[in-house]
Amino acid sequence: DGGITQSPKYLFRKEGQNVTLSCEQNLNHDAMYWYRQDPGQGLRLIYYSQIVNDFQKGDIAEGYSVSREKKESFPLTVTSAQKNPTAFYLCASWGGRDTGELFFGEGSRLTVL
Amino acid sequence: GNSVTQMEGPVTLSEEAFLTINCTYTATGYPSLFWYVQYPGEGLQLLLKATKADDKGSNKGFEATYRKETTSFHLEKGSVQVSDSAVYFCALSDENTNAGKSTFGDGTTLTVKP
Repeated sequence: DGGITQSPKYLFRKEGQNVTLSCEQNLNHDAMYWYRQDPGQGLRLIYYSQIVNDFQKGDIAEGYSVSREKKESFPLTVTSAQKNPTAFYLCASWGGRDTGELFFGEGSRLTVL
Repeated sequence: GNSVTQMEGPVTLSEEAFLTINCTYTATGYPSLFWYVQYPGEGLQLLLKATKADDKGSNKGFEATYRKETTSFHLEKGSVQVSDSAVYFCALSDENTNAGKSTFGDGTTLTVKP
């Protein structure tokens, strides 16, 4: 089945450590996105990539970094510079103009101890 | 810029009750409108969409009509079930800006009691 796979589902990190969240898709989509979700709030865009080897900052990029070396993969690194990293992180890819639909992974919950 | 405003939650209903979740939007172009649903511990999945004015999106008994004159896209269902308990997000995607870069509302939590 085609879809978005995020890992790990749960992750605990000590303060001062970097952590990388994996996002893989087999939908052959060009555009991929990372969102952050906090309780009672909507989704906020961290970074997005519309094509391999290119990415742009979203609304809350500070303290995060990404890479897009392969079409299928868009990993997100939460660095120690991110002041409040505990959150639910969602990766998505875009189905293109025909559908307009975003396809989401099941999310990764990061907790900083 | 673009924005989406959703009815504040949480919403609690009895099974078979009528559901309305209000959504209004602000956009500079001609956006496509979406409702996504998020079940506990999962990612979002598309519930329905509408791409132009007066279009009606429908799926699983849910409906929403794209109303350009009132800039609204309210979600309705005639008879909710316990399995409809989830968080519902209204969203827009304006292809005149960055394709696929969607703007989301804050989400409305629906709990349906038997």
